[in-house]
Amino acid sequence: KAGVTQTPRYLIKTRGQQVTLSCSPISGHRSVSWYQQTPGQGLQFLFEYFSETQRNKGNFPGRFSGRQFSNSRSEMNVSTLELGDSALYLCASSWTGQETQYFGPGTRLLVL
Amino acid sequence: LAKTTQPISMDSYEGQEVNITCSHNNIATNDYITWYQQFPSQGPRFIIQGYKTKVTNEVASLFIPADRKSSTLSLPRVSLSDTAVYYCLVGGYYGGSQGNLIFGKGTKLSVKP
Repeated sequence: KAGVTQTPRYLIKTRGQQVTLSCSPISGHRSVSWYQQTPGQGLQFLFEYFSETQRNKGNFPGRFSGRQFSNSRSEMNVSTLELGDSALYLCASSWTGQETQYFGPGTRLLVL
Repeated sequence: LAKTTQPISMDSYEGQEVNITCSHNNIATNDYITWYQQFPSQGPRFIIQGYKTKVTNEVASLFIPADRKSSTLSLPRVSLSDTAVYYCLVGGYYGGSQGNLIFGKGTKLSVKP
């Protein structure tokens, strides 16, 4: 069974731009969660989607948004990028959000 | 969700047994204890999860005393490839609820030859 995949793996953007990251969950998993990891703040929860609906949201500004498609694939978007948005963005999937979460390899975003 | 406290770092040598203790004084009745392992620039990987007493799998053991206010992850005979950050999570079901895992700072384990 294929694991969680994320694209792209690496990305370089400049301040003010926007970016879209993609996550394909494990087949059959309907819950997709997104996390941001930085050296200073560690791993922080962004939001979770289940059946195309955002079910839970962390404490991040509205510049961070996401969506989920009918095939459970998810995208997250960050608008008006700031230097502090440089981070490893991870997505995780599970059957319903209440079981073991499986993480993807992450997308490394660098904002210049 | 209960807050967890772990040592920031630990050192060990190959072949030794490593025990990482996590304190969670405010654990709730329906909370589970879950451990994840993370290598640099990779996503966290689920290691083990338990509710009480002892749980063992092919990778590690998890010891939970009767009061459940702490837990100990035991890694038998570590190798260099076990060098990673280990996170202890406490919460409903598998460390969180509704897809929201709360990660602390974790314990950075360094295994030396």
